[in-house]
Amino acid sequence: AQSVAQPEDQVNVAEGNPLTVKCTYSVSGNPYLFWYVQYPNRGLQFLLKYITGDNLVKGSYGFEAEFNKSQTSFHLKKPSALVSDSALYFCAVRDGGNTPLVFGKGTRLSVIA
Amino acid sequence: NAGVTQTPKFRVLKTGQSMTLLCAQDMNHEYMYWYRQDPGMGLRLIHYSVGEGTTAKGEVPDGYNVSRLKKQNFMLGLESAAPSQTSVYFCASSYRAGNTEAFFGQGTRLTVV
Repeated sequence: AQSVAQPEDQVNVAEGNPLTVKCTYSVSGNPYLFWYVQYPNRGLQFLLKYITGDNLVKGSYGFEAEFNKSQTSFHLKKPSALVSDSALYFCAVRDGGNTPLVFGKGTRLSVIA
Repeated sequence: NAGVTQTPKFRVLKTGQSMTLLCAQDMNHEYMYWYRQDPGMGLRLIHYSVGEGTTAKGEVPDGYNVSRLKKQNFMLGLESAAPSQTSVYFCASSYRAGNTEAFFGQGTRLTVV
């Protein structure tokens, strides 16, 4: 069965500093990996995905994520955090078959001015 | 393009009452999902559907039923609501292929008293 772990419930970073939100996964086959963001009282918005190819994936709002097969990780990164990046971030995985998305528990990012 | 639309957005139920949450998508997606979001628990899959007339159980299906009579609609029913079903419910849809992202509705906040 596929699963996702987000080891940090909360990440605090100063505005302008780089940010990293961690995600590790477990699947039986090749993973399809996704990051979503949720702002207060809103639905989830898709940020980026890894399917195959280049291990560094670029997405919306300046976010990027690095796929590391040996460490089974897919960490979300941004070179310079903005206060407006403060939100709840979810990592998700599918194993490539006809399976639904499985989500992690989420990491709350707080960017402090 | 409306995307994924959920109704209602808010609802308060008394214990034992029943209700149906409605989800409609206009993207011709084969897959549709119902998740619930609880603090510290992330998103947990309740039921999903891989096509019109089909449904399958997710991680937390007890106390819920679903129907997908038309490709664009996916309904979630609570036959006898319990306080443990107080949650925010999200509907999502996607194409069949594992490498495609899911699109989410804005959520339904349900309180059972």
